Amino acid sequence: SYVLTQPPSVSVAPGKTARITCGENNIGGKSVHWYQQKPGQAPVVVIYYDTDRPSGIPERFSGSNSGNTATLTISRVEAGDEADYYCQVWDSNSNHVVFGGGTKLTVL
Amino acid sequence: QVQLVESGGGVVQPGRSLRLSCAASGFTFSNYGMHWVRQAPGKGLEWVADIWYDGSNKYYSDSVMGRFTISRDNSKNTLYLQMNSLRAEDTAVYYCARDIYVSGSYYFDCWGQGTLVTVSS
Repeated sequence: SYVLTQPPSVSVAPGKTARITCGENNIGGKSVHWYQQKPGQAPVVVIYYDTDRPSGIPERFSGSNSGNTATLTISRVEAGDEADYYCQVWDSNSNHVVFGGGTKLTVL
Repeated sequence: QVQLVESGGGVVQPGRSLRLSCAASGFTFSNYGMHWVRQAPGKGLEWVADIWYDGSNKYYSDSVMGRFTISRDNSKNTLYLQMNSLRAEDTAVYYCARDIYVSGSYYFDCWGQGTLVTVSS
């Protein structure tokens, strides 16, 4: 079955760039979606189909996907970006949705 | 505006049953596939089940297959999750989510606020 690997935590200083990875063999062949979840709240999609950004999500959020790694990049990080981030794909072989284990972003 | 509101959570003993509901509003419910996603306390997101827009196909995670049943009533704009033979490891916040399906992949553009299910004796 498909397993998406994320680092448990990433720390970054305000104003710097955070990169959160999501790894799996040949993930570049799938579409990857990213969610932000703040404490006590439901997840919110921040990137879909690898690189698309929903309306209302700042341009500071961007995504890429190639080879064995998809990456969520947050530029000019702000304190309000502190949250858990999850990657997600759909496994067509099993018809299952798969989430990564999540990454806690800490803004120093 | 698009809204999903879950209900039906609570405390239940192991082995018992519970039915969750998700009331949809602000969009044409019958046009969208719907999912249940859960999150155990302090843990990550886990996909549970999904149902096609017309109810014709349903899929389940291995952890709930044979115990949980997803269904929908498009005339009532409501999604359901019947949970039987509950276990302690089913304790979680359960979210319903609307999917967007394009070019061979789903993502979730709208989520409910979640309902907490606690399985405990």
